[in-house]
Amino acid sequence: AQKVTQAQTEISVVEKEDVTLDCVYETRDTTYYLFWYKQPPSGELVFLIRRNSFDEQNEISGRYSWNFQKSTSSFNFTITASQVVDSAVYFCALSEALGADGANNLFFGTGTRLTVIP
Amino acid sequence: EPEVTQTPSHQVTQMGQEVILRCVPISNHLYFYWYRQILGQKVEFLVSFYNNEISEKSEIFDDQFSVERPDGSNFTLKIRSTKLEDSAMYFCASSGDFGGETQYFGPGTRLLVL
Repeated sequence: AQKVTQAQTEISVVEKEDVTLDCVYETRDTTYYLFWYKQPPSGELVFLIRRNSFDEQNEISGRYSWNFQKSTSSFNFTITASQVVDSAVYFCALSEALGADGANNLFFGTGTRLTVIP
Repeated sequence: EPEVTQTPSHQVTQMGQEVILRCVPISNHLYFYWYRQILGQKVEFLVSFYNNEISEKSEIFDDQFSVERPDGSNFTLKIRSTKLEDSAMYFCASSGDFGGETQYFGPGTRLLVL
């Protein structure tokens, strides 16, 4: 059974601080996909990144970076020099091996609410 | 940039009434999904849809729920007889031409059952 744990329920940082959001996952599949989504106060879900299980290369996109470590089943997300606009709930999600027709459902963690204080 | 749209943005209904939530997925996508998020909780998978039939459904997706793609653009979620516990944000998502692709979410429909 798949499981995604985001142990940090809420984090507050002062603007310009760096912050890391943790995500630990469990799966029996060797092929899987990991995602991060942002949910700002307006409520929509905004895609941030997708990683497949064979690609452990870390990624940087502007102030965002992701650290994928299969050895610890973690896919952590770091925001550098945080800004007030980063305030949101961040969800980590896992998708396991595809169904016969290729569809796959996302299993979400419980989310981490990040508040960036000006 | 193409996006998933959902209507209505908010819906209030009485317990026992039927509701239909509508979604227009991204036009060249082939996989469609419904998720729900009870206030303050995590996002939960309801159902996936491919090639005009249900691919997978969760335990939440019982006989009160149904999905349909009535034409080439719309994807609907029907709740036949709403219950108080159906109050949630319902998200539609779509993904591209192979499984494992990123799912792009619509803005959601907030459903309140009184």
